[in-house]
Amino acid sequence: AQSVTQLGSHVSVSEGALVLLRCNYSSSVPPYLFWYVQYPNQGLQLLLKYTSAATLVKGINGFEAEFKKSETSFHLTKPSAHMSDAAEYFCAVSERKTSYDKVIFGPGTSLSVIP
Amino acid sequence: NAGVMQNPRHLVRRRGQEARLRCSPMKGHSHVYWYRQLPEEGLKFMVYLQKENIIDESGMPKERFSAEFPKEGPSILRIQQVVRGDSAAYFCASSPQGAAGNTIYFGEGSWLTVV
Repeated sequence: AQSVTQLGSHVSVSEGALVLLRCNYSSSVPPYLFWYVQYPNQGLQLLLKYTSAATLVKGINGFEAEFKKSETSFHLTKPSAHMSDAAEYFCAVSERKTSYDKVIFGPGTSLSVIP
Repeated sequence: NAGVMQNPRHLVRRRGQEARLRCSPMKGHSHVYWYRQLPEEGLKFMVYLQKENIIDESGMPKERFSAEFPKEGPSILRIQQVVRGDSAAYFCASSPQGAAGNTIYFGEGSWLTVV
């Protein structure tokens, strides 16, 4: 079965600093990978997804992620953190079934941005 | 273009009562997923449904929980004889089809509190 790990349940960065949120997956087949963001008391919003096209994926709000097969990683980055980036971030992998995909989520990383 | 609609947003039940959570998928979407988010935890897959069919219920507790997605009307997640441990946020998501790599779109969630 496919799975996702996110190193660091809490990450704090200063405003303007680089954001790096780590995600590693396990999969026996080429995966589809996603990053979602969740603001307090809200649902999840898709930031970006990798579906076997370009390995560097650009998403909304200035975020991007790079798929590295050799490292089984899909880390999320943003060059300069903004206060509004404070939220919970979930990495997810799509688990292939015969006729559908089941999306499995990592435990999440809470991002705090310090002014 | 309405998104995934969940109601109620907040629900309080006493131990032993029943909870019914409703989910209307995005227009044109025929695939519905339910996830549960416990405090300080990530999202756990519960069940995947298509119209009138349960495709994958591997994440559903064996007792007290059931889900349906009738031909007409919203998908329903039903929890009978609720216990304190059922207190969580329940998220519904939908996709246009179950094919590989499709984005699933989340609702705002239903927060269940069992007192």
